[in-house]
Amino acid sequence: ETGVTQTPRHLVMGMTNKKSLKCEQHLGHNAMYWYKQSAKKPLELMFVYNFKEQTENNSVPSRFSPECPNSSHLFLHLHTLQPEDSALYLCASSLRTDPNYGYTFGSGTRLTVV
Amino acid sequence: GENVEQHPSTLSVQEGDSAVIKCTYSDSASNYFPWYKQELGKRPQLIIDIRSNVGEKKDQRIAVTLNKTAKHFSLHITETQPEDSAVYFCAAPRPDFNKFYFGSGTKLNVKP
Repeated sequence: ETGVTQTPRHLVMGMTNKKSLKCEQHLGHNAMYWYKQSAKKPLELMFVYNFKEQTENNSVPSRFSPECPNSSHLFLHLHTLQPEDSALYLCASSLRTDPNYGYTFGSGTRLTVV
Repeated sequence: GENVEQHPSTLSVQEGDSAVIKCTYSDSASNYFPWYKQELGKRPQLIIDIRSNVGEKKDQRIAVTLNKTAKHFSLHITETQPEDSAVYFCAAPRPDFNKFYFGSGTKLNVKP
């Protein structure tokens, strides 16, 4: 395993459902991120947490709600999503948030909204 | 506009040939440039990175070069093998925004 574990790997949900994505790292990293990966588009940063405090919300719709109870765990709560939200959601971690360190990515959750 | 531009978007080479992917960035204060490889259905993995105090870094068949004056950096893969087939992403930091911007990716296909 990579050091960053995401569950579930695949998720199909209806537009009225509520679900959560989970990310866990035990690398001793202090920063955690949610990225959205859509076909033929650059990775889109969604949220940044530094020492479990949210430091960035990149204009993400409120139907996505992050939660970071500690530096090792990160959640993305989903509700009333739209079909265009279907994508690969990647969690990443790094030692710190300043951009001098590479990321370790999780394997992602492939989300399909029907 | 784009903070990081990556070219080409697709690249097809014959096994054994070299492949070069180029990225340009906008912030002259950027000082750390990673490259990620994402195989089909897998997570992006950091394969090589370079800091602005050097112009080139090599790791076996892969190398990265950096031209700070021109604000571009390139990934070079020599003696390509089919297992090099993947999508490659560059990233450049925006220190003022304390974040990375990723390129749009290059799909490399190495034909046996």
